[in-house]
Amino acid sequence: DQQVKQNSPSLSVQEGRISILNCDYTNSMFDYFLWYKKYPAEGPTFLISISSIKDKNEDGRFTVFLNKSAKHLSLHIVPSQPGDSAVYFCAASGGRYGGSQGNLIFGKGTKLSVKP
Amino acid sequence: DAGITQSPRHKVTETGTPVTLRCHQTENHRYMYWYRQDPGHGLRLIHYSYGVKDTDKGEVSDGYSVSRSKTEDFLLTLESATSSQTSVYFCAISDLIMNTEAFFGQGTRLTVV
Repeated sequence: DQQVKQNSPSLSVQEGRISILNCDYTNSMFDYFLWYKKYPAEGPTFLISISSIKDKNEDGRFTVFLNKSAKHLSLHIVPSQPGDSAVYFCAASGGRYGGSQGNLIFGKGTKLSVKP
Repeated sequence: DAGITQSPRHKVTETGTPVTLRCHQTENHRYMYWYRQDPGHGLRLIHYSYGVKDTDKGEVSDGYSVSRSKTEDFLLTLESATSSQTSVYFCAISDLIMNTEAFFGQGTRLTVV
C-alpha cells in the first residue's frame, strides 16, 4: 500500500501562472514532509519542507501547505518558470519505515511542464 | 553540491552476476541511504545505515545487501543480479534523522541483461 500518494502523474502550466502539486498520505505517524525536484539524469534536490506542527512554509516562489486533518499537502509555485519543469517528489518521514531513523517515504512523482 | 559520489555511473551486467555499487561522501554525515527509482514507483528505500557497521532494511531490500565499514563509504551489493533489478540507484546522506533535507548523489544506472 502506498503511504504517500501523488495522484497526478503530470501537470502542464503556462509560464507566470501558479503551479499546484498535490500529495496525500495515509500514515498519521508522519511528522515531517519534504518536496524534492528532479531533473533528468540528476539526483533529486531538496526544495522545501514542513513540520507537522505548521500548516504553511514559504521560501521565495515556493510554498508548501499542510492539512493534517485531511492528510494532504500541496506545493505552490508562483510564478511558474520554464526552469521549474521537472519531476517533483513528495516525501514524508516517520511511520513504519521511519522509526527513530525517520527514513523518507516518497510518492511516485509529478512531472511538471511549464510552457513559455 | 554536497560531497556525494556514486560509482559507477552506468553499468551493464549479466543476469546472475554479482554487482557492487559504491557511495562515497565527504560530508561526514552519519546517515546514508540507498534508493532505487523505477517508472511508476518513484523512489523506494532499499537499505540504510545509521553508523559504521549499523545498517537496516528498507522497503525493497530483497536481493540486496549493504556494508558500511567507514563513515564515508556505503556499498550496495546485488549478490546475483536479476532483470528486475534494472533501475537507477541513488545514494543519499543526512546528518540528522532525515527531519531535515537529505542530499542525493547523481545516481547509477544499472542494466541487467
